[in-house]
Amino acid sequence: DSGVTQTPKHLITATGQRVTLRCSPRSGDLSVYWYQQSLDQGLQFLIQYYNGEERAKGNILERFSAQQFPDLHSELNLSSLELGDSALYFCASSVVGVSGDRGQNPRYNEQFFGPGTRLTVL
Amino acid sequence: DQQVKQNSPSLSVQEGRISILNCDYTNSMFDYFLWYKKYPAEGPTFLISISSIKDKNEDGRFTVFLNKSAKHLSLHIVPSQPGDSAVYFCAASEAYGQNFVFGPGTRLSVLP
Repeated sequence: DSGVTQTPKHLITATGQRVTLRCSPRSGDLSVYWYQQSLDQGLQFLIQYYNGEERAKGNILERFSAQQFPDLHSELNLSSLELGDSALYFCASSVVGVSGDRGQNPRYNEQFFGPGTRLTVL
Repeated sequence: DQQVKQNSPSLSVQEGRISILNCDYTNSMFDYFLWYKKYPAEGPTFLISISSIKDKNEDGRFTVFLNKSAKHLSLHIVPSQPGDSAVYFCAASEAYGQNFVFGPGTRLSVLP
């Protein structure tokens, strides 16, 4: 158990709909990351938040948005869903979100992943 | 264009032998690398990392080697055990805490 929780575990919805995925980071972790894993694909980085603020953006579609709340949990909102949005969505958390002591403590930047939310768009 | 490549989608190894998983990257600004292991229906779990100031990092049965000039890293598992059967992802970033780029993964099967 990584300490990162994601809800729901499974989500089935129709095209055109909107869903919200929720993530609670490990206690003490300030950074939250969202990833998408489509069938037989690697993990595609979507977006990172650090202490409530957007820190980095990856290949996130305009139909998708995220936020991190004062209690540090995060939500990923997916709207106008398409068939191709069916995927596993992972949330990860880490202690830091900024450049730190390069090489001194490599594990300080370790990301802990939640179990994922499997989204199926029909 | 994939910045992190794992050219072997799958690998089978006999129990007790060495497993070598390879990863190549194209971005010369990458300076921090991680390996993650993923079992079915679970999230990836951190395995081992290495920063660009080192060329080797060891943790028990797992060793990661980094060849910066070749933009190549490898994960060695010795001895391999059936419980090591999983998908292994290589990931890289330019700076601590910033965007990680993941490779497509290599599925390792350790045969008893």
